[in-house]
Amino acid sequence: RKEVEQDPGPFNVPEGATVAFNCTYSNSASQSFFWYRQDCRKEPKLLMSVYSSGNEDGRFTAQLNRASQYISLLIRDSKLSDSATYLCVVPSRAGRRALTFGSGTRLQVQP
Amino acid sequence: EAGVTQFPSHSVIEKGQTVTLRCDPISGHDNLYWYRRVMGKEIKFLLHFVKESKQDESGMPNNRFLAERTGGTYSTLKVQPAELEDSGVYFCASSPPGWGEQFFGPGTRLTVL
Repeated sequence: RKEVEQDPGPFNVPEGATVAFNCTYSNSASQSFFWYRQDCRKEPKLLMSVYSSGNEDGRFTAQLNRASQYISLLIRDSKLSDSATYLCVVPSRAGRRALTFGSGTRLQVQP
Repeated sequence: EAGVTQFPSHSVIEKGQTVTLRCDPISGHDNLYWYRRVMGKEIKFLLHFVKESKQDESGMPNNRFLAERTGGTYSTLKVQPAELEDSGVYFCASSPPGWGEQFFGPGTRLTVL
């Protein structure tokens, strides 16, 4: 089983739609979780950090379910500019700063 | 404020040759990381420096890869000799002292022919 698993997509949604991505992780000791955004042929950029049950930032909401070991990212009122790959990221091991990346979920918002 | 910079942006070399990648972290960031993404796979951790010391090199694939960070500023990653499977995008990231966000550079796209 992979350490971090994501549905690769692509998710094709119209502008204004609400879309949700899920991510499962295998290390039950993980304490922090991240969603990164990566545009085509660019570097990953941190979108949200999740340390407790969830986090909200504008149109973006991240939720954590420790019992089931999954993290979700909800995007409301999708914009064309939200089109990107969303990477679920978890620290590799307790006490270590190395990050383990999921393979990413591709989102395409259409006009 | 300048972000993480990497040089070169692209490199095309032949199998058996040597390539050196450079990363300049954000000023004041003690932590420096190397990651890579090979074709069709997820981004994988290679190693982590704290200042000039290697804190974690558990992701280095083999001894053809050598990373240095002399003086605790910029870092180099040398691949010698390069193999076909080394092709991919090599990202450098840096973070401030403590457990801060990792900021990624634009990456070096390495192609080994």
